Amino acid sequence: DIVLTQSPGTVSLSPGDRATLSCRASQGLSGNFVAWYHQRPGQAPRLLIHYVSRRATGIPDRFSGSGSGRDFTLTISGLEPDDFGVYFCQQYGDSTTFGQGTKVEIK
Amino acid sequence: EVQLLGSGGGLAQPGGSLRVSCAASGFTFSNYGMNWIRQTPEKGLEWISAITGTGGETYYADSVKGRFIISRDNVKSTLDLQMNSLRVEDTATYFCVKRKLAGFCSRTSCRDVFETWGQGTRVTVSS
Repeated sequence: DIVLTQSPGTVSLSPGDRATLSCRASQGLSGNFVAWYHQRPGQAPRLLIHYVSRRATGIPDRFSGSGSGRDFTLTISGLEPDDFGVYFCQQYGDSTTFGQGTKVEIK
Repeated sequence: EVQLLGSGGGLAQPGGSLRVSCAASGFTFSNYGMNWIRQTPEKGLEWISAITGTGGETYYADSVKGRFIISRDNVKSTLDLQMNSLRVEDTATYFCVKRKLAGFCSRTSCRDVFETWGQGTRVTVSS
């Protein structure tokens, strides 16, 4: 299985800050089959981005995805209070696996 | 509004059985492949099973193959996961998840983009 490693494990930021979250695959991904999800405590994950950079329905444009090969990035421009929580990346090009998550906490 | 409402689960002994279910609403259920994904603090998110829209094809992760059975009732718009021969390591929160794209899905595409998640159902396996 392809292993996804997310970094950093935890990042402390203030509302209005820019967040840059990384996801590295154990091998190169053929095709842009990467998604990102956001999970708040006690809730289910919510789809943010699919196909590396396509925003899901209703997701604001402060969320953007990029990357190719082994390295992928989720950028949040101007953090809002509801944006805090854990972010997971997922690859679905070779079966499907998830990263272990990056926690975005309030500084 | 698309909604997935999970139920069932609870506490079981190792070797025992449990069933988790999911009631879907707000979309044409039979048009979508559906999945079960579980989550633990130790292993994170793990895809465990998928079923095509018609229910004709089912797929499982190696960790549950031969022990778990996924099924659906397209008249009632419900999704089930029958869990047998439970192990301590099956302890997790189980999410019912709708695939983003409608239509036919294959072994790989049924488990691609997970658009809508149920609220999660807790399963604990302990003696």
